[in-house]
Amino acid sequence: GAVVSQHPSRVICKSGTSVKIECRSLDFQATTMFWYRQFPKQSLMLMATSNEGSKATYEQGVEKDKFLINHASLTLSTLTVASAHPEDSSFYICSAVRTGGLTEAFFGQGTRLTVV
Amino acid sequence: DAKTTQPPSMDCAEGRAANLPCNHSTISGNEYVYWYRQIHSQGPQYIIHGLKNNETNEMASLIITEDRKSSTLILPHATLRDTAVYYCIGYYNNNDMRFGAGTRLTVKP
Repeated sequence: GAVVSQHPSRVICKSGTSVKIECRSLDFQATTMFWYRQFPKQSLMLMATSNEGSKATYEQGVEKDKFLINHASLTLSTLTVASAHPEDSSFYICSAVRTGGLTEAFFGQGTRLTVV
Repeated sequence: DAKTTQPPSMDCAEGRAANLPCNHSTISGNEYVYWYRQIHSQGPQYIIHGLKNNETNEMASLIITEDRKSSTLILPHATLRDTAVYYCIGYYNNNDMRFGAGTRLTVKP
C-alpha cells in the first residue's frame, strides 16, 4: 500500500517555541492532505484540510495563526504549531489522499507533541 | 460526510469472526464506505472500502446493505493483534474526512 511518512514521531519542546511537523507521501502525489489532532481516549478531530498550492481550510475553532499549514508540493505538507503551550500537547496525525482511479486516504504514524 | 454511528465497544473471542456494524443512514449516493482501524498511539490503518457491492481483501470483508444505510466489517478469524478502535467513514473524493467515535474491539484469548 501507499506510504505516508510523518516526522518527527515524538517531540518535546519548551512553552513559547514553535514546532514543525512534516507529512510526506512517499510513493504517490497528494493534492489533498488532512491534519488531525487526537487527545487520549478520543477520536481523531479534523483540524484542517490542506490543498496543494492554496490556503488550507480550517475547521471551526482551530486558530489558523497558531496552526500554520503549508502544502507547497504534491508530496509534502507541514503543520507548524506556533508559540506552543502545554494545552497544545496532543497526538497530531496527517493523511494524504491519493486520487486517480479509486480515492484512498493513507495516514502517517502520528506525532506526539509534548509542550513543557 | 455521512454521519456514522457505531457501538462504542465490542468483545470477540480469538479465532472467531468479529462483526462490526456501522449505521450510515445519511450517506450520499457517491460516498464510499471506508473502514480504518487505529491501534494505540499509531496512525489509522486502512482496512477496506466499498460503494455498493460487498468487498473482500486479505484483511476483511465488507457487507453493505442494499439501501446503503448500514454496513458490517467482518474480520473472519480475529487475533489478539486485531484489538483496536475501528472507524467507519463515509467519504467521497476530496471532501473532508471526519471520524466518528468508532468501536473499540477487544479480542480475548
